[in-house]
Amino acid sequence: TQLLEQSPQFLSIQEGENLTVYCNSSSVFSSLQWYRQEPGEGPVLLVTVVTGGEVKKLKRLTFQFGDARKDSSLHITAAQPGDTGLYLCAGRPSGGSYIPTFGRGTSLIVHP
Amino acid sequence: ETGVTQTPRHLVMGMTNKKSLKCEQHLGHNAMYWYKQSAKKPLELMFVYSLEERVENNSVPSRFSPECPNSSHLFLHLHTLQPEDSALYLCASSQEAAYSNQPQHFGDGTRLSIL
Repeated sequence: TQLLEQSPQFLSIQEGENLTVYCNSSSVFSSLQWYRQEPGEGPVLLVTVVTGGEVKKLKRLTFQFGDARKDSSLHITAAQPGDTGLYLCAGRPSGGSYIPTFGRGTSLIVHP
Repeated sequence: ETGVTQTPRHLVMGMTNKKSLKCEQHLGHNAMYWYKQSAKKPLELMFVYSLEERVENNSVPSRFSPECPNSSHLFLHLHTLQPEDSALYLCASSQEAAYSNQPQHFGDGTRLSIL
């Protein structure tokens, strides 16, 4: 069973469109991180959310942590070709485990 | 400057070969990780080292052998690999392993192909 479910798995949109990707779990997380991975590179951290209900903004990207700390969303406004990449959510379940858990990722392509 | 450097970037080897992957971090972090990334699968954690001690071995076959000689360097020794071991192997580091808020800094990976 997958601890962190990401949806959609693939997304292909035109420049200027808005989109939302989701990261869901039945487990509670003490924190959750979003990463973006471009082809041929490793994942790069975008944001960490730690408080239930927290909203963080990074330019055109808006991240939200669910009130119960079981889910998160990433909303991109006016997507650009530079936003193309694999978006990964990751977190450690509450309880202090060393093991971070990653979702399968959402592969986003933004066409000019 | 990613702060985490992996070599080689690409490696092709036969099933009977022995090779090693190298990771070096310049961030002063105390924890280092090996991950396997395969197509259509989530990142799989393989090993975690905290202050040069292995704190997690996530049921990885013995044909993968990690080594952490100091907090800046991490190796993954490979021996008698199988075709299903072909994947992108990512190294990461974080300030501490035990704290959930700590982000991980990743290298760009080694693309491994087993013939």
